[in-house]
Amino acid sequence: EVQLVESGGGLVQPGGSLRLSCATSEFTFSNYEMTWVRQAPGKGLEWVSYISGGGDSMYYADSVKGRFTISRDNAKNSLFLQMNSLRAEDTGVYFCARAYTVTWGFDYWGQGTLVTVSS
Amino acid sequence: DIQMTQSPSSLSASVGDRVTITCRASQSISRYLNWYQHKPGKAPKLLIYAASDLQSGVPSRFSGGGSGTDFTLTISSLQPDDFAVYYCQHSYRTPPWTFGQGTKVDIK
Repeated sequence: EVQLVESGGGLVQPGGSLRLSCATSEFTFSNYEMTWVRQAPGKGLEWVSYISGGGDSMYYADSVKGRFTISRDNAKNSLFLQMNSLRAEDTGVYFCARAYTVTWGFDYWGQGTLVTVSS
Repeated sequence: DIQMTQSPSSLSASVGDRVTITCRASQSISRYLNWYQHKPGKAPKLLIYAASDLQSGVPSRFSGGGSGTDFTLTISSLQPDDFAVYYCQHSYRTPPWTFGQGTKVDIK
């Protein structure tokens, strides 16, 4: 069964950093485009970042551009999100998700990891 | 950026009801429109991709339609497991691949 498991969330002070990980299994990771989506408390889903299967193309939402960096390790079937200069508005649950191609939607998601930015 | 607007924001319905949710894009997105179901504490679930294609394993009571700027998600006969929040999302050309604000379906 396809699995995506996020980790690395926690409580961090404004201006701090966190690195989220998404461990995957039971599919050929390098064949899939990967993305991060977040949900602030009581709010809807917000697309955050994307990386191509080979890791050579990345995109970011304007709200995180210049602060967040997406990466992947295809040898370890893992996806990462380095989050720097964190703000209170970055608080929320962060989900990783896969897509064979983004145009067909994100077909498997993890359960999410909670990031809380607060002093 | 393309904006996605869903309506209604919430609705109350009974088991067995036919439910329709609409999603409007701020510009034409052809058929690059996906629908997700999300329950609290769970992973979101892809229901429909490319406006009307049913994702594998999703019950046939779910259907999608539309093209251009106007799209619909219909549940033909609401079941107890269907009470959730539903999101549309466009996947047209370049990001940001924005979501609609969500439609909460709860029990009447």
